[in-house]
Amino acid sequence: AQKVTQAQTEISVVEKEDVTLDCVYETRDTTYYLFWYKQPPSGELVFLIRRNSFDEQNEISGRYSWNFQKSTSSFNFTITASQVVDSAVYFCAYSGSRLTFGEGTQLTVNP
Amino acid sequence: EAQVTQNPRYLITVTGKKLTVTCSQNMNHEYMSWYRQDPGLGLRQIYYSMNVEVTDKGDVPEGYKVSRKEKRNFPLILESPSPNQTSLYFCASSALGIERESHEQFFGPGTRLTVL
Repeated sequence: AQKVTQAQTEISVVEKEDVTLDCVYETRDTTYYLFWYKQPPSGELVFLIRRNSFDEQNEISGRYSWNFQKSTSSFNFTITASQVVDSAVYFCAYSGSRLTFGEGTQLTVNP
Repeated sequence: EAQVTQNPRYLITVTGKKLTVTCSQNMNHEYMSWYRQDPGLGLRQIYYSMNVEVTDKGDVPEGYKVSRKEKRNFPLILESPSPNQTSLYFCASSALGIERESHEQFFGPGTRLTVL
């Protein structure tokens, strides 16, 4: 059965630090999709990125970057020069035969 | 503006009193789903629908019903709510891809339900 693990329940950093959120998945699917979503304190869920299993290119979007490594079944998310507005719960999700969310990582960026 | 709307946003009710949470999307998406979010458990899927009149159970369907009579609407029904259904509920929609959930989902703002 597929499983998504976000081992870091909570992370606290000081503004301008870089921070990496880990996501590890287990699967037997050959085709699958990986996602990251952000849930700020206001509660809504915001889509950040989607990656399919055949595309291992890393992606950068501003201060955000994602590192997909199929060999280690990981899809980690790095925020460079963190800001207070990055404070949120971040969810990693996997979609193969079923969509499964990780338990989320609460990121707190302190001024 | 492309969006998913849910109503109500907040609801306090009592055990056994039937309630419906509405969900509507304006993006002409085929796929819609309901999730509940509980501390330490992430989001868990309750029901999903791949098109009008096509619905199926997710991971935690017990105690819930859904219907999909129109493409844009996907209401969640709790026939006899119980305290263990106190949770934060999200409706979502997406386009259908090669795999059922291969596209990003657009989420509603959430409904915080308390069952006393």
